[in-house]
Amino acid sequence: SQTIHQWPATLVQPVGSPLSLECTVEGTSNPNLYWYRQAAGRGLQLLFYSVGIGQISSEVPQNLSASRPQDRQFILSSKKLLLSDSGFYLCAWTPGGASGANVLTFGAGSRLTVL
Amino acid sequence: GQNIDQPTEMTATEGAIVQINCTYQTSGFNGLFWYQQHAGEAPTFLSYNVLDGLEEKGRFSSFLSRSKGYSYLLLKELQMKDSASYLCAVMDSNYQLIWGAGTKLIIKP
Repeated sequence: SQTIHQWPATLVQPVGSPLSLECTVEGTSNPNLYWYRQAAGRGLQLLFYSVGIGQISSEVPQNLSASRPQDRQFILSSKKLLLSDSGFYLCAWTPGGASGANVLTFGAGSRLTVL
Repeated sequence: GQNIDQPTEMTATEGAIVQINCTYQTSGFNGLFWYQQHAGEAPTFLSYNVLDGLEEKGRFSSFLSRSKGYSYLLLKELQMKDSASYLCAVMDSNYQLIWGAGTKLIIKP
């Protein structure tokens, strides 16, 4: 069966510090991978998605970046965090190569607080 | 623009029935999803509707009317563990998911 792991679960960082959130998927090959951010009272915001190694699409211009160094690994980074980067970050995957509507499976989430 | 509307918060009693509504305006339609999200946790998939009508899964049912841009999630025989946020999301013509802000459901004994 497929599983998705995301870490760290909780992070408190000062403004201006770097960020690295990591996500890995097991039990499948060539998944589509996603990074979302959830702010209180707002819908999930898609930040990045990837359909393959080294292929990253950015949905929202900001000081965050994403990388996919391996087939089942997706990393969210920042060189200098802003206060507005605080939020709940969710990694998710769908089967790769499949067309149509697919169910997103989410990781457990990472709660980031920037002080 | 694209928009998903659902109530911010609802309260219901244990053992009762509750209906959570979702209305949408999107560029095209390729299905509507409902997810459940307990506080501090990740969303988990509940249902998917792409054709008009009612889909039933145990205590949970989801209804869709594409002509009205409307869906609801019906929860029967409410249990305390059903206290959570319920997220409505619509897949548009580009297969992009548009998310509502979620409905926080509070269950009282």
